[in-house]
Amino acid sequence: KNQVEQSPQSLIILEGKNCTLQCNYTVSPFSNLRWYKQDTGRGPVSLTIMTFSENTKSNGRYTATLDADTKQSSLHITASQLSDSASYICVVTDPFSGGYNKLIFGAGTRLAVHP
Amino acid sequence: GAGVSQSPRYKVAKRGQDVALRCDPISGHVSLFWYQQALGQGPEFLTYFQNEAQLDKSGLPSDRFFAERPEGSVSTLKIQRTQQEDSAVYLCASSPVAGVGNEQFFGPGTRLTVL
Repeated sequence: KNQVEQSPQSLIILEGKNCTLQCNYTVSPFSNLRWYKQDTGRGPVSLTIMTFSENTKSNGRYTATLDADTKQSSLHITASQLSDSASYICVVTDPFSGGYNKLIFGAGTRLAVHP
Repeated sequence: GAGVSQSPRYKVAKRGQDVALRCDPISGHVSLFWYQQALGQGPEFLTYFQNEAQLDKSGLPSDRFFAERPEGSVSTLKIQRTQQEDSAVYLCASSPVAGVGNEQFFGPGTRLTVL
């Protein structure tokens, strides 16, 4: 069973609109949760990172929320731009990685922003 | 260069051939990770180096996969007797220090296609 599940798998929105992407995780105990943006043909780039004690983190038009009790996170994108078209991946640190940053990735949500 | 670089960017191999994928991490970065990303999926952990020491190779799918980082900088991922199921993007990431919570910087990946 996947330890990090994301929804929806894909999403199409019009330029200028807002959207919210969801992430549910089962990894426990919890260290930190990240959201990455991956453009086609490129490596992932970090957007936000939150520890279990944080419940929101913003980076420009991107706002991530975290509910450690329900093990849910969301990424909200406001005023979308064409350049937001990419895959957005939710990532949790493996708690049993022995002190280094072993990451567990979700499958991602593929977002397409249309003019 | 300022970022993580990988070469080649694309590799086509006939089934049974050996391949070698190179990763040049950001200069001075202690930690280096290799990931495998199947089409439409998130990256999956393969192996981790701290300087020249390979501390975790639990994600390597078979003994046909071998990774090294002999001088604690450049790393090579070698796949022997390639199979069609090895077709994927192989991502390398580096981090300035060891430890949980540190940022990982990803390269653009090598797309391997096994015919």
